[in-house]
Amino acid sequence: GAVVSQHPSRVICKSGTSVKIECRSLDFQATTMFWYRQFPKKSLMLMATSNEGSKATYEQGVEKDKFLINHASLTLSTLTVTSAHPEDSSFYICSARMYGNTEAFFGQGTRLTVV
Amino acid sequence: GIQVEQSPPDLILQEGANSTLRCNFSDSVNNLQWFHQNPWGQLINLFYIPSGTKQNGRLSATTVATERYSLLYISSSQTTDSGVYFCAIRTNFGNEKLTFGTGTRLTIIP
Repeated sequence: GAVVSQHPSRVICKSGTSVKIECRSLDFQATTMFWYRQFPKKSLMLMATSNEGSKATYEQGVEKDKFLINHASLTLSTLTVTSAHPEDSSFYICSARMYGNTEAFFGQGTRLTVV
Repeated sequence: GIQVEQSPPDLILQEGANSTLRCNFSDSVNNLQWFHQNPWGQLINLFYIPSGTKQNGRLSATTVATERYSLLYISSSQTTDSGVYFCAIRTNFGNEKLTFGTGTRLTIIP
């Protein structure tokens, strides 16, 4: 099956710093990648959709200047949380989909803690 | 927007029991997936099932797209089945995003 790798799996950073999370599709080319956020004991909420080579589409209420998404190649998308604050602490999960296929595959997730 | 409701929200069962989890959705779909989120947060793909019935070992799923629901069956539950089960759907209206349901937290007691 299709494999999506997300790194790091866990990160602790100081308030005011930036953190970059990587999402890679290992054995397929992902024309579309998605970034989700999950609060404790809640469902996954879509933050943004990114297509290779174009700007990401953000969901309503998601600050695009705080959550920078780059989809520079068909196998890599990155999410950068800029000037992180404790309220940005959460579980972030990426998903990738190959062209012509509606099934989505997910990375392992990244638990971000801002102190 | 589209609504995706799962029931029950919580389910506690003895090991060996069978269970049925339900996913109701409010629009036509061209993708429906079931996932198991393990205690470490990893989402494991269980089924890609926009319609019809599929089986994989002790798990099976049925989607009745015309009636806008899907069911996930777990037979002979094991403690490793514990976790949160999500259904997620993608609609027919050209939007690429996958919308997740509210989830069912399953706890299997030895």
